[in-house]
Amino acid sequence: EAQVTQNPRYLITVTGKKLTVTCSQNMNHEYMSWYRQDPGLGLRQIYYSMNVEVTDKGDVPEGYKVSRKEKRNFPLILESPSPNQTSLYFCASSLNRADTQYFGPGTRLTVL
Amino acid sequence: SQQGEEDPQALSIQEGENATMNCSYKTSINNLQWYRQNSGRGLVHLILIRSNEREKHSGRLRVTLDTSKKSSSLLITASRAADTASYFCATTGTASKLTFGTGTRLQVTL
Repeated sequence: EAQVTQNPRYLITVTGKKLTVTCSQNMNHEYMSWYRQDPGLGLRQIYYSMNVEVTDKGDVPEGYKVSRKEKRNFPLILESPSPNQTSLYFCASSLNRADTQYFGPGTRLTVL
Repeated sequence: SQQGEEDPQALSIQEGENATMNCSYKTSINNLQWYRQNSGRGLVHLILIRSNEREKHSGRLRVTLDTSKKSSSLLITASRAADTASYFCATTGTASKLTFGTGTRLQVTL
């Protein structure tokens, strides 16, 4: 089944404790991206990747890192999480940045 | 930055009625997409309409695009309780960047 998976689905952590949210897709998509969703603000793009080893900042990249060492995986790293990063995070993949996006199920992160 | 803005922000209708939501955007686009999100879950793609198209259908969905007014509408006919969700438009501009609006929350009651 074609899908995008994210782990963990729920995470509660404390300020400053490094964490990684994994994202994997099995559709051989070149384009992958991370979004955060906050009430009243819609989806905002954090980082995106056009292909392996090619990543770039989205609209809200501060406090986040990504890597794209393999085509299927695109982890999101929070080196030192802060409470303002409490949010619902989505990974998405597509053939290219303008095409239909396939979303993962989301990761609800709470930073205390 | 948000490109698309949906209107209304929230819509409540009864089962069997039609639901119409609108999306307005600011700059030229290559295509416009509509997505559905059930509460707290990932977005699901509904339909994509290109800038040279005026109308597209998919099942009970009808999407129109008016590039002169920089607006699109999504019509759901004969709505069902299962249509209850948030609906987002997303535009792709000349830089091929996909930008989402803030969404319309649709509530369909029995």
